[in-house]
Amino acid sequence: AQSVTQLDSQVPVFEEAPVELRCNYSSSVSVYLFWYVQYPNQGLQLLLKYLSGSTLVESINGFEAEFNKSQTSFHLRKPSVHISDTAEYFCAVRLNYGGATNKLIFGTGTLLAVQP
Amino acid sequence: DGGITQSPKYLFRKEGQNVTLSCEQNLNHDAMYWYRQDPGQGLRLIYYSQIVNDFQKGDIAEGYSVSREKKESFPLTVTSAQKNPTAFYLCASSMARGVTDTQYFGPGTRLTVL
Repeated sequence: AQSVTQLDSQVPVFEEAPVELRCNYSSSVSVYLFWYVQYPNQGLQLLLKYLSGSTLVESINGFEAEFNKSQTSFHLRKPSVHISDTAEYFCAVRLNYGGATNKLIFGTGTLLAVQP
Repeated sequence: DGGITQSPKYLFRKEGQNVTLSCEQNLNHDAMYWYRQDPGQGLRLIYYSQIVNDFQKGDIAEGYSVSREKKESFPLTVTSAQKNPTAFYLCASSMARGVTDTQYFGPGTRLTVL
Protein backbone atom coordinates (compact mmCIF):
# COMPACT_ATOMS: atom_id res chain seq x y z
CA ALA A 1 0.00 0.00 0.00
CA GLN A 2 1.11 3.51 -0.73
CA SER A 3 2.07 5.71 2.21
CA VAL A 4 3.88 8.88 3.23
CA THR A 5 6.01 9.04 6.36
CA GLN A 6 7.10 12.19 8.13
CA LEU A 7 9.37 10.87 10.82
CA ASP A 8 9.43 13.95 13.01
CA SER A 9 6.20 15.20 14.53
CA GLN A 10 7.94 18.31 15.85
CA VAL A 11 11.22 20.03 15.01
CA PRO A 12 12.42 22.81 17.35
CA VAL A 13 15.09 25.08 15.91
CA PHE A 14 16.64 28.45 16.72
CA GLU A 15 16.12 31.43 14.45
CA GLU A 16 18.70 31.68 11.61
CA ALA A 17 19.67 28.01 12.00
CA PRO A 18 19.27 25.54 9.12
CA VAL A 19 16.47 22.98 9.15
CA GLU A 20 15.53 19.77 7.37
CA LEU A 21 12.05 18.23 7.52
CA ARG A 22 12.07 14.63 6.39
CA CYS A 23 9.59 12.92 4.10
CA ASN A 24 9.72 9.37 2.77
CA TYR A 25 7.14 7.62 0.65
CA SER A 26 6.26 4.11 -0.38
CA SER A 27 4.75 3.45 -3.80
CA SER A 28 4.78 0.80 -6.51
CA VAL A 29 4.14 3.41 -9.22
CA SER A 30 5.80 6.70 -10.05
CA VAL A 31 4.75 9.70 -7.99
CA TYR A 32 4.42 13.44 -7.91
CA LEU A 33 5.45 15.15 -4.68
CA PHE A 34 4.23 18.19 -2.78
CA TRP A 35 4.97 20.16 0.35
CA TYR A 36 2.20 22.23 1.91
CA VAL A 37 2.42 24.63 4.87
CA GLN A 38 -0.36 25.29 7.38
CA TYR A 39 -0.39 28.25 9.77
CA PRO A 40 -2.60 27.98 12.88
CA ASN A 41 -6.32 27.71 12.13
CA GLN A 42 -5.78 28.19 8.41
CA GLY A 43 -5.97 26.06 5.30
CA LEU A 44 -3.00 24.51 3.53
CA GLN A 45 -0.84 26.60 1.22
CA LEU A 46 1.24 25.01 -1.51
CA LEU A 47 4.93 25.51 -0.75
CA LEU A 48 6.58 23.62 -3.62
CA LYS A 49 6.11 20.60 -5.85
CA TYR A 50 8.02 18.10 -7.94
CA LEU A 51 6.27 16.94 -11.09
CA SER A 52 9.14 16.26 -13.49
CA GLY A 53 12.49 17.63 -14.62
CA SER A 54 15.07 18.89 -12.14
CA THR A 55 14.95 16.96 -8.89
CA LEU A 56 15.72 20.09 -6.87
CA VAL A 57 12.75 22.44 -6.51
CA GLU A 58 12.61 25.77 -4.73
CA SER A 59 9.95 28.00 -3.20
CA ILE A 60 9.85 31.78 -3.25
CA ASN A 61 10.56 32.05 0.50
CA GLY A 62 13.83 30.15 0.60
CA PHE A 63 12.70 26.55 1.08
CA GLU A 64 13.93 23.81 -1.22
CA ALA A 65 13.30 20.09 -1.58
CA GLU A 66 15.09 17.37 -3.49
CA PHE A 67 13.42 14.31 -4.99
CA ASN A 68 15.59 11.25 -4.41
CA LYS A 69 14.07 8.30 -6.25
CA SER A 70 16.51 5.69 -4.96
CA GLN A 71 15.83 6.66 -1.36
CA THR A 72 12.14 7.43 -2.00
CA SER A 73 12.53 10.73 -0.20
CA PHE A 74 11.53 14.38 -0.66
CA HIS A 75 13.10 16.20 2.29
CA LEU A 76 12.42 19.91 2.80
CA ARG A 77 15.30 22.22 3.72
CA LYS A 78 15.94 25.85 4.51
CA PRO A 79 19.43 27.22 5.23
CA SER A 80 18.26 29.91 7.68
CA VAL A 81 14.80 29.94 9.29
CA HIS A 82 12.77 32.89 10.58
CA ILE A 83 10.24 33.13 13.38
CA SER A 84 7.56 33.50 10.70
CA ASP A 85 8.37 30.00 9.38
CA THR A 86 6.75 28.51 12.48
CA ALA A 87 3.93 26.34 11.10
CA GLU A 88 2.98 22.76 10.35
CA TYR A 89 4.40 21.27 7.17
CA PHE A 90 2.76 18.42 5.26
CA CYS A 91 4.35 16.22 2.65
CA ALA A 92 1.96 14.71 0.07
CA VAL A 93 2.19 12.26 -2.79
CA ARG A 94 0.02 11.96 -5.88
CA LEU A 95 0.22 8.59 -7.53
CA ASN A 96 0.74 8.31 -11.28
CA TYR A 97 -1.73 5.67 -12.40
CA GLY A 98 -1.91 7.18 -15.87
CA GLY A 99 -5.60 7.90 -15.43
CA ALA A 100 -7.68 10.77 -14.23
CA THR A 101 -7.39 10.17 -10.52
CA ASN A 102 -5.74 13.00 -8.62
CA LYS A 103 -5.92 11.73 -5.07
CA LEU A 104 -3.28 12.94 -2.66
CA ILE A 105 -1.85 10.89 0.18
CA PHE A 106 -0.66 13.04 3.07
CA GLY A 107 1.90 12.50 5.78
CA THR A 108 0.98 13.22 9.38
CA GLY A 109 2.73 16.58 9.40
CA THR A 110 5.78 18.13 11.10
CA LEU A 111 5.46 21.13 13.36
CA LEU A 112 8.38 23.49 12.81
CA ALA A 113 8.84 25.56 15.96
CA VAL A 114 11.32 28.41 15.47
CA GLN A 115 12.63 29.92 18.70
CA PRO A 116 14.33 33.31 19.09
CA ASP B 1 -9.93 37.68 -6.08
CA GLY B 2 -9.83 34.07 -7.24
CA GLY B 3 -9.90 31.44 -4.58
CA ILE B 4 -11.75 28.94 -2.44
CA THR B 5 -14.11 30.03 0.30
CA GLN B 6 -15.45 27.90 3.11
CA SER B 7 -18.16 28.90 5.50
CA PRO B 8 -18.65 29.14 8.35
CA LYS B 9 -15.18 29.27 9.90
CA TYR B 10 -16.44 27.81 13.18
CA LEU B 11 -19.50 25.60 13.57
CA PHE B 12 -21.09 24.08 16.63
CA ARG B 13 -23.55 21.24 16.46
CA LYS B 14 -25.53 19.24 18.94
CA GLU B 15 -25.28 15.48 18.80
CA GLY B 16 -27.83 13.92 16.46
CA GLN B 17 -28.06 16.93 14.14
CA ASN B 18 -27.01 17.03 10.51
CA VAL B 19 -24.92 20.01 9.43
CA THR B 20 -23.80 21.25 6.01
CA LEU B 21 -20.42 22.84 5.32
CA SER B 22 -20.12 25.16 2.36
CA CYS B 23 -17.29 25.21 -0.20
CA GLU B 24 -17.24 27.55 -3.19
CA GLN B 25 -14.49 28.16 -5.75
CA ASN B 26 -14.17 30.71 -8.55
CA LEU B 27 -11.00 29.22 -10.06
CA ASN B 28 -12.92 27.38 -12.81
CA HIS B 29 -11.52 24.12 -11.46
CA ASP B 30 -13.15 20.86 -12.51
CA ALA B 31 -12.30 18.79 -9.45
CA MET B 32 -13.17 19.42 -5.80
CA TYR B 33 -12.26 17.52 -2.65
CA TRP B 34 -13.19 17.29 1.03
CA TYR B 35 -10.63 16.36 3.68
CA ARG B 36 -10.85 15.86 7.39
CA GLN B 37 -7.93 16.85 9.62
CA ASP B 38 -7.41 15.49 13.13
CA PRO B 39 -4.39 16.22 15.35
CA GLY B 40 -1.49 13.92 14.58
CA GLN B 41 -3.28 12.19 11.68
CA GLY B 42 -2.69 14.45 8.73
CA LEU B 43 -5.46 14.85 6.16
CA ARG B 44 -7.83 12.10 5.15
CA LEU B 45 -9.97 12.21 2.01
CA ILE B 46 -13.74 12.09 2.57
CA TYR B 47 -15.21 12.62 -0.93
CA TYR B 48 -14.07 14.00 -4.24
CA SER B 49 -15.69 15.07 -7.49
CA GLN B 50 -14.02 15.27 -10.89
CA ILE B 51 -17.02 16.74 -12.76
CA VAL B 52 -20.47 18.14 -12.07
CA ASN B 53 -23.10 15.61 -10.98
CA ASP B 54 -20.49 12.97 -10.22
CA PHE B 55 -18.53 12.19 -7.05
CA GLN B 56 -16.63 9.31 -5.46
CA LYS B 57 -16.06 8.14 -1.93
CA GLY B 58 -12.68 8.71 -0.41
CA ASP B 59 -11.08 6.81 2.44
CA ILE B 60 -13.48 7.84 5.22
CA ALA B 61 -16.86 8.54 3.57
CA GLU B 62 -19.07 6.86 6.18
CA GLY B 63 -21.37 9.34 7.89
CA TYR B 64 -20.87 12.03 5.24
CA SER B 65 -22.70 13.01 2.04
CA VAL B 66 -21.98 15.47 -0.78
CA SER B 67 -23.55 16.93 -3.90
CA ARG B 68 -22.07 18.59 -6.98
CA GLU B 69 -24.88 20.38 -8.80
CA LYS B 70 -22.70 23.29 -9.89
CA LYS B 71 -19.07 23.43 -10.92
CA GLU B 72 -18.37 26.13 -8.32
CA SER B 73 -19.91 24.42 -5.31
CA PHE B 74 -19.29 21.19 -3.39
CA PRO B 75 -21.17 21.19 -0.06
CA LEU B 76 -20.46 18.53 2.56
CA THR B 77 -23.13 17.26 4.96
CA VAL B 78 -22.00 15.71 8.21
CA THR B 79 -24.81 13.41 9.24
CA SER B 80 -25.77 12.07 12.64
CA ALA B 81 -24.32 8.73 11.53
CA GLN B 82 -20.80 10.15 11.76
CA LYS B 83 -19.58 8.86 15.14
CA ASN B 84 -16.84 11.38 15.80
CA PRO B 85 -17.51 14.50 13.73
CA THR B 86 -15.46 17.04 15.71
CA ALA B 87 -12.58 17.97 13.40
CA PHE B 88 -11.16 20.58 11.05
CA TYR B 89 -12.63 20.20 7.54
CA LEU B 90 -10.74 21.36 4.47
CA CYS B 91 -12.04 21.78 0.95
CA ALA B 92 -9.72 21.77 -2.05
CA SER B 93 -9.98 22.10 -5.80
CA SER B 94 -7.84 21.41 -8.85
CA MET B 95 -7.99 21.62 -12.61
CA ALA B 96 -7.78 17.80 -12.83
CA ARG B 97 -5.90 17.94 -16.11
CA GLY B 98 -2.78 15.88 -16.62
CA VAL B 99 0.43 15.51 -14.74
CA THR B 100 0.67 19.13 -13.62
CA ASP B 101 -2.53 18.94 -11.58
CA THR B 102 -2.19 20.63 -8.19
CA GLN B 103 -4.73 20.92 -5.38
CA TYR B 104 -5.39 24.27 -3.72
CA PHE B 105 -7.07 24.54 -0.34
CA GLY B 106 -9.68 26.72 1.31
CA PRO B 107 -9.30 28.21 4.82
CA GLY B 108 -11.20 25.38 6.54
CA THR B 109 -14.20 24.96 8.85
CA ARG B 110 -13.75 23.83 12.44
CA LEU B 111 -16.71 21.71 13.51
CA THR B 112 -17.34 21.03 17.18
CA VAL B 113 -20.05 18.69 18.38
CA LEU B 114 -21.39 19.63 21.79
